[in-house]
Amino acid sequence: GAVVSQHPSWVICKSGTSVKIECRSLDFQATTMFWYRQFPKQSLMLMATSNEGSKATYEQGVEKDKFLINHASLTLSTLTVTSAHPEDSSFYICSARDLQGIYSNQPQHFGDGTRLSIL
Amino acid sequence: DAKTTQPPSMDCAEGRAANLPCNHSTISGNEYVYWYRQIHSQGPQYIIHGLKNNETNEMASLIITEDRKSSTLILPHATLRDTAVYYCIVRVGGQTGANNLFFGTGTRLTVIP
Repeated sequence: GAVVSQHPSWVICKSGTSVKIECRSLDFQATTMFWYRQFPKQSLMLMATSNEGSKATYEQGVEKDKFLINHASLTLSTLTVTSAHPEDSSFYICSARDLQGIYSNQPQHFGDGTRLSIL
Repeated sequence: DAKTTQPPSMDCAEGRAANLPCNHSTISGNEYVYWYRQIHSQGPQYIIHGLKNNETNEMASLIITEDRKSSTLILPHATLRDTAVYYCIVRVGGQTGANNLFFGTGTRLTVIP
């Protein structure tokens, strides 16, 4: 159980294009999902917290108009990189925690990531 | 959340136990210790977590010192597929808001044939 699916796993597109990444919890519901970014040979950095039915919370230095987050249901959050440029090329990873575990210490589960390359 | 310190890299012979240390000397009483690993080009994989008692599951064992200032993740019989970066993270449990995980640099474990 506790499977998080990300799609697509890999995308290449031209500079100026907008790219949407989906994150789904397949066998559980998640009020909150998290989006991370990882550059080569670096650790994961939290970008934003996605809240079902409300606005996302962005970390300092992350442009909310650049990285649009929508959490329309308890099993789906999307990250849209708008007008992507080469410097946005990175590995984007989402995570989620079971709604039933929100008052407990159950772990977050991660998707397999999306490798974004902007030409 | 408390900061953690891990060695940057470790080697382990295949079939032997891999013992990965983590220091979290500023951990507070309501913070849990979580371990994740990341195999190259994949998302992090949850391994185990604990508060103060030692824990064991099908993947690993977690040993937490009595003062909770450090812990050790034990992979009892390391295989080549265990080669990965291992992250030790401490986080307050039970909150609804600040449930995100802050990743440090982790320990790069290389299992050698």
